[in-house]
Amino acid sequence: NAGVTQTPKFQVLKTGQSMTLQCAQDMNHEYMSWYRQDPGMGLRLIHYSVGAGITDQGEVPNGYNVSRSTTEDFPLRLLSAAPSQTSVYFCASSYRIRQGSEQYFGPGTRLTVT
Amino acid sequence: QQQVKQSPQSLIVQKGGISIINCAYENTAFDYFPWYQQFPGKGPALLIAIRPDVSEKKEGRFTISFNKSAKQFSLHIMDSQPGDSATYFCAASGMGETSGSRLTFGEGTQLTVNP
Repeated sequence: NAGVTQTPKFQVLKTGQSMTLQCAQDMNHEYMSWYRQDPGMGLRLIHYSVGAGITDQGEVPNGYNVSRSTTEDFPLRLLSAAPSQTSVYFCASSYRIRQGSEQYFGPGTRLTVT
Repeated sequence: QQQVKQSPQSLIVQKGGISIINCAYENTAFDYFPWYQQFPGKGPALLIAIRPDVSEKKEGRFTISFNKSAKQFSLHIMDSQPGDSATYFCAASGMGETSGSRLTFGEGTQLTVNP
């Protein structure tokens, strides 16, 4: 199993540009999520999905869109990039159970917005 | 507002020493408390986790101590090794079909173990 994969590894955008961060998992996990990691702030939840066709907002959703058309894929879209979105982005997946479960993280995408 | 507060921000320990990282939470609905370990350039990976029905959980050199009344939990790394040098995050989540998988993370602790 490849686990959770993310592309690209690095990306530089200009303010106002759009892009999609890709995330895929091959573990048949129902739950997928996107986090951003910033120094001194830990990881903050952007959006999450409990299954194909179902998404919801996390702690910091503004400026990001998601969709979940298949169990395997969960892309994150930046419609109009801003310097405040410079961060490292992690995708994660897990089995969906009621009382907490191990999250499997991808290797991350380092995004710089100039 | 950070619902899970972690300290210290950085920690330097000598090889063979004990590393202690502390976390405090506010939300009494939290029911699952994992610790994640992250090496540079990698995604976080689950290290150890505890539920509030026990006060301590040990896995090898890693121990979680949990104090439900104080709403605090801590990670102890015994016999710390240079290979333990990494960033450690505490986290918490609640019960429920969706909240069971929504993790709230602490700010992170950069641990350095000197040889």
